[in-house]
Formats: sequence, structure tokens, C-alpha cells
Amino acid sequence: KAGVTQTPRYLIKTRGQQVTLSCSPISGHRSVSWYQQTPGQGLQFLFEYFSETQRNKGNFPGRFSGRQFSNSRSEMNVSTLELGDSALYLCASSFGQMNTEAFFGQGTRLTVV
Amino acid sequence: GNSVTQMEGPVTLSEEAFLTINCTYTATGYPSLFWYVQYPGEGLQLLLKATKADDKGSNKGFEATYRKETTSFHLEKGSVQVSDSAVYFCALSDRSDYKLSFGAGTTVTVRA
Repeated sequence: KAGVTQTPRYLIKTRGQQVTLSCSPISGHRSVSWYQQTPGQGLQFLFEYFSETQRNKGNFPGRFSGRQFSNSRSEMNVSTLELGDSALYLCASSFGQMNTEAFFGQGTRLTVV
Repeated sequence: GNSVTQMEGPVTLSEEAFLTINCTYTATGYPSLFWYVQYPGEGLQLLLKATKADDKGSNKGFEATYRKETTSFHLEKGSVQVSDSAVYFCALSDRSDYKLSFGAGTTVTVRA
């Protein structure tokens, strides 16, 4: 059974640009959530989707957005990139509720220069 | 809201030493508790979990017991190996908020 796949693994962008990150969950999993990991702030929740509906959103500015498709694949978008957006972005999938087991991808390392 | 506090690192141990990482939580409901491990350059892997009070999660020699009375979920391993060097995260989730809340992470280094 394939794991959670995130693409791309590494990305370098310039301030002011926008970026789209992709996540393919484990087959059969309908919940996808996104986290930002930085040395200073640790792991912070961005948003969670279930069957194309956003059920929860973290405390991030509106520049951060996401969506989920009918096949459960998810994308997150960051517009008008800032240096502080440099981070490891992790996607996790689970079958249903997040209080069951969640499986993480390897992450996308975004560097903003 | 929900929150997790875990022991700050870094922690450096010799092989075969005993490891304990403290984790306490604050939650309004009855959360599930998790320990995740992150190896360099990788995502998070679930190490163990417990879904109700007094449950003990265990995996790869690691154990943690869900203590509701002390709101704790401390991670222990009796004899660590060099391969256990990683960052360990305590986390919780309940049915109402559809997310994991993580502690700050504890970096563990095991020396041969």
C-alpha cells in the first residue's frame, strides 16, 4: 500500500511569488491535513479537509489556502511568499477522524529567497 | 483549547541507557494521545498511540501510558540504541477539532 506522497520534495521561490504544493493520501483515506514545521514555531496546523470540505483551519493568514479534490488528493497554495514562509510543509492522511491513526508524507521543503 | 507540553531537549544518552521523555496535555474532552518520531530529512512516523485512560501504547520497545489523573503520556524505553536518535513529538487529537496538536519536540541523540 503506497504511503502519503508529497510533491515536490524541494522548492525554492522568490519573495512575492506564489507556490502550490500537492499531497496524495493513502488510498481510501478521506481526511487530509496540512502542517507547517519551522525550527522556531514547531509543528503548526494549517487546515484539514474531508470529502472536499474544509473542517478546520489554523491561525494562518489568508495567503495560505487549500483544497481537496474528489479523489481525496489535496493541494495547498501560498500566495505573495514571504521569507518567513520558508518551512517544511507536511501533509497527513487518515481514514476518518484525526483521533485515529494519521500517516505523514515526507514533506515539501520550501525555501523563500 | 488543546495543548501539549513536552520535555525540552536535547537529550544525549549512551547506548543501552534508559530513556524517558515527559509529556503532559491540556484538553477539554477525552483526546487520543500519540507519540510520533521524525528521523533526519523525513516526515513523521507514528510510534505509538493510546485512545483512552489507562491504555498503554507500545512499539519497538517504547511504551507510554495514558494517565488521565495526571494528564500525562510519558514515553519510555528501557535500552536505547544509536538508531533511536531522532526527534520525538507528543501529540493529541480529539473528535471535535479534526487536527493534531503537537508538543515542541525532543531531540534525542544516542552515542555508541
